[in-house]
Amino acid sequence: SYVLTQPPSVSVAPGKTARITCGGNNIGSKSVHWYQQKPGQAPVLVIYYDSDRPSGIPERFSGSNSGNTATLTISRVEAGDEADYYCQVWDSSSDHRGVFGGGTKLTVL
Amino acid sequence: EVQLVESGGGLVQPGGSLRLSCAASGFTFSSYWMSWVRQAPGKGLEWVANIKQDGSEKYYVDSVKGRFTISRDNAKNSLYLQMNSLRAEDTAVYYCARDLRIVGATNWFDPWGQGTLVTVSS
Repeated sequence: SYVLTQPPSVSVAPGKTARITCGGNNIGSKSVHWYQQKPGQAPVLVIYYDSDRPSGIPERFSGSNSGNTATLTISRVEAGDEADYYCQVWDSSSDHRGVFGGGTKLTVL
Repeated sequence: EVQLVESGGGLVQPGGSLRLSCAASGFTFSSYWMSWVRQAPGKGLEWVANIKQDGSEKYYVDSVKGRFTISRDNAKNSLYLQMNSLRAEDTAVYYCARDLRIVGATNWFDPWGQGTLVTVSS
């Protein structure tokens, strides 16, 4: 089964750039999607299809995907960006199923 | 406004059953695949199952195969998850989510409902 690996935590100062990685075997050949989840709330899609932003998501959020690593980049980080972030792919190689990374807690210092 | 509202969660004993519902509004429900995703307390997200627009295709994570059944009623704009033989490890918040997909390539989930808590305990 396909496995996605995220760092448990990332810390960044306000106004700086946060990069959250998502590792997987040849993940660059898959499409990666990212979700933000604040405490007590449902997840919200922030990036889909590697680098596309849904309407309403600030341009500060961007994504990239190549080789064995996908990256969510948050520029000019704000206190309100503090949340858990999850990457996700769809694994249709052996069986159709959604796969999530373990999640990364973003702390704004 | 696209909205998903789950219901049906609660406390159930191990081995018991529960049926979750998800009421959809603000979009043409019958045009979309739908998914259930769960999150155990303090843990990450786990995709559980999804279903095609007409119910003709259904997929499950291995840990629930044979115990959970996903279904839908397009006339009622509703998604369901019948959960049988429940185990302690099924304790989680269960979210329904609309599947967005590129056929043969990928699926992603947007939006999500607010979730309903299922607790399996004696």
